[in-house]
Amino acid sequence: ETGVTQTPRHLVMGMTNKKSLKCEQHLGHNAMYWYKQSAKKPLELMFVYSLEERVENNSVPSRFSPECPNSSHLFLHLHTLQPEDSALYLCASSQDSYRDTQPYEQYFGPGTRLTVT
Amino acid sequence: GENVEQHPSTLSVQEGDSAVIKCTYSDSASNYFPWYKQELGKRPQLIIDIRSNVGEKKDQRIAVTLNKTAKHFSLHITETQPEDSAVYFCAASLAGGTSYGKLTFGQGTILTVHP
Repeated sequence: ETGVTQTPRHLVMGMTNKKSLKCEQHLGHNAMYWYKQSAKKPLELMFVYSLEERVENNSVPSRFSPECPNSSHLFLHLHTLQPEDSALYLCASSQDSYRDTQPYEQYFGPGTRLTVT
Repeated sequence: GENVEQHPSTLSVQEGDSAVIKCTYSDSASNYFPWYKQELGKRPQLIIDIRSNVGEKKDQRIAVTLNKTAKHFSLHITETQPEDSAVYFCAASLAGGTSYGKLTFGQGTILTVHP
């Protein structure tokens, strides 16, 4: 596999379920991101990890819990979600722009389409 | 924080025509402005970007212009083709330092190119 991969691609879960989304990047990057994409809304940044350290938590409810065990893997643990959390969840990776003055392109995964019933 | 407004939300053109999408941003410190294209059911992909030390950048049929004083930037697609049909997103960020590459996206423009 090359680039950024995400599993599962589709997920239906009840409001009381616990599930996890997985992201893996094969690009040698050291920064990873979770985004939420809802219909008719802009892409919303949820979390940023730089060198496996969470550096941004964009006011995301605690029912979303990220985990970054190493620079190649990123998880999003989900529990007691609400129907309004139904969306496409995109993972992205890039070189770490914190220690450099230039920005780096973010490479997106294909996303996980989440439906909360 | 940064706020990015994008217009129009939908754009329909005939093949061969030009298409222009405009974005405004609120944080004058932002210095990096990428454009992403997302085809139906696919992931967003970077198509062009511009940094604040440049006023214009061109890559074949695609160009981006930046007006720092007015805090707006635009995407120009010339000689449009049906395969240009997609959702286009603009974004803004402050590169480096504590920004960690934090991108703020516009709402997206659905471009439809009719053959």
